[in-house]
Amino acid sequence: GQNIDQPTEMTATEGAIVQINCTYQTSGFNGLFWYQQHAGEAPTFLSYNVLDGLEEKGRFSSFLSRSKGYSYLLLKELQMKDSASYLCAVRDPSGGSYIPTFGRGTSLIVHP
Amino acid sequence: KAGVTQTPRYLIKTRGQQVTLSCSPISGHRSVSWYQQTPGQGLQFLFEYFSETQRNKGNFPGRFSGRQFSNSRSEMNVSTLELGDSALYLCASSLDQGASSEQYFGPGTRLTVT
Repeated sequence: GQNIDQPTEMTATEGAIVQINCTYQTSGFNGLFWYQQHAGEAPTFLSYNVLDGLEEKGRFSSFLSRSKGYSYLLLKELQMKDSASYLCAVRDPSGGSYIPTFGRGTSLIVHP
Repeated sequence: KAGVTQTPRYLIKTRGQQVTLSCSPISGHRSVSWYQQTPGQGLQFLFEYFSETQRNKGNFPGRFSGRQFSNSRSEMNVSTLELGDSALYLCASSLDQGASSEQYFGPGTRLTVT
């Protein structure tokens, strides 16, 4: 089976740093994705980690530890437009599919 | 390059009716996946099509079906609609179905069942 957990909601202040955690329990592993979804819009790709370590892309970074079944998305210099839902998704090919399974998402609210 | 398009964007149906949603993937993409998104359950996988064949299916009743055409466009159909089918239906396309393939999502179809 597959189980992906993320906090339901987080709040942070403009200009600050926030870390959104994701833990997973899957039979197999072939990559972890982070997506951003603004209200009423489609999810957009943020990052993909398949090896342990930190991937940095501008203000956003994503970290993966396969042995711990753990990832986080780090958002620096928060802006109001970062208020959105952040979805963690894991690819588990053990069932013969490369379709990622999504967590329920973390709603991030950035306030002034 | 045009993104993933979905039609219609909004739809209101009554219980018992059936509905067909359409998805046009990014040009050159052969894999199309469908998801249902609700506030309570998040993004749940419905099915995936690759080269006109259903390759994977999620845990949804047989009322949910789909198909893919030779030009990679895909449709999904929901018959005998129930109130619980009200959701955002998202389509995602990718180049292939391999591990390195990233998914690109369309804007979704918001279905309301009354």
